Amino acid sequence: VHLVESGGALVQPGRSLNLSCTTSGFTFADYAMTWVRQAPGKGLEWIGFIRSLSYGGTTEYAASVKGRFTVSRDDSKSIAYLQMNSLKTEDTAVYYCTNSIGYWGQGTLVSVSS
Amino acid sequence: DIQMTQSPSSLSASVGDRVTITCRASQGIRNDLGWYQQKPGRAPKRLIFAASNLQSGVPSRFIGSGSGTEFTLTISSLQPEDFATYYCLQHNTYPFTFGQGTKLEIK
Repeated sequence: VHLVESGGALVQPGRSLNLSCTTSGFTFADYAMTWVRQAPGKGLEWIGFIRSLSYGGTTEYAASVKGRFTVSRDDSKSIAYLQMNSLKTEDTAVYYCTNSIGYWGQGTLVSVSS
Repeated sequence: DIQMTQSPSSLSASVGDRVTITCRASQGIRNDLGWYQQKPGRAPKRLIFAASNLQSGVPSRFIGSGSGTEFTLTISSLQPEDFATYYCLQHNTYPFTFGQGTKLEIK
């Protein structure tokens, strides 16, 4: 099982960024996917979740990102996405994807600064 | 939101010690709780799911217990590689929430 996040970058406040979580080694379509972030020197923060299409493919979000971030999935490519809009300096963090059987990617760094 | 309160926030112990970390939920979450280990610069690793089930490949010295609002992670005999930060995560009610973490350090 492998999960690899990509797309992290240094961006200015107010801009957008799209992260990808490319997976292999498990039947992606069968599992929910979650995004978690960790600000520098801080703890883990659960931020978003997408159910498998068998459960409607619906999403849930933390209040801190609701309305700005969108989780989506492409089962044909085994990729989960995190679209981040209206970025704020407090969104600076390492972003991880994880599946519902406990596997995590290595993370990708997003820095929001002017 | 459900608040997850971990204690202690930090802990010093020696190799071979038995240590226990506690996580309390602000409301009942049945057994919808996982425990995670994180080493510096690394991704978290799930140790326990459904409060007491050992993730595949995790040593049996990691023991999870509890239900409802109080949960514990016990390491029965600390090994050098166990010094890390530990987090609990409730997945009963959205938004899911982590505890603030327990940093386990070498005495």
